[in-house]
Amino acid sequence: SQQGEEDPQALSIQEGENATMNCSYKTSINNLQWYRQNSGRGLVHLILIRSNEREKHSGRLRVTLDTSKKSSSLLITASRAADTASYFCATDARGSQGNLIFGKGTKLSVKP
Amino acid sequence: EAQVTQNPRYLITVTGKKLTVTCSQNMNHEYMSWYRQDPGLGLRQIYYSMNVEVTDKGDVPEGYKVSRKEKRNFPLILESPSPNQTSLYFCASSLGRGRGEKLFFGSGTQLSVL
Repeated sequence: SQQGEEDPQALSIQEGENATMNCSYKTSINNLQWYRQNSGRGLVHLILIRSNEREKHSGRLRVTLDTSKKSSSLLITASRAADTASYFCATDARGSQGNLIFGKGTKLSVKP
Repeated sequence: EAQVTQNPRYLITVTGKKLTVTCSQNMNHEYMSWYRQDPGLGLRQIYYSMNVEVTDKGDVPEGYKVSRKEKRNFPLILESPSPNQTSLYFCASSLGRGRGEKLFFGSGTQLSVL
């Protein structure tokens, strides 16, 4: 049962540019999380935003949440080559008993 | 160091030969889960466990078994692997489910079933 869908599927930018990835979901949520995955490795938690929050920051990351549109965005500012990875949103849907459901991810490539 | 350890990292086997992928966490987490990742399909949950002796099916449990006899270990068992179980597998854990806890992931097990 896929809940989140990231957009775009792939994104290629130059170092120093900002990267924006979007996530849309279908049902009401308790929270939404973003994860990063370097090629073939385990996912690493980046940031969590709760349903009553609209925006959250962590270093160069900015996450927004619009529950009326059932969407979230992840902004990476001043990107670096080391940011090259896949990024996934994961939703803790209400009624799901707390299991996170992951989207298919956005593959970000940052060219030096 | 707090971590989730999966073994092996790579595994090649043949159809029907039983195998076990081990997963262990050293963070005293209550919740553990197994996912498989396939191109174009993202991560799909296989099984999860709320605590010792408590396991439940995820979205794609067919062909898999799990057990949770100790809090730290959550092995994934393929009794009779088939080629459609060729995939990248991840174990993950968190303090508890249903409280918005972040997941900690293992490094993954790339399984090929011939």
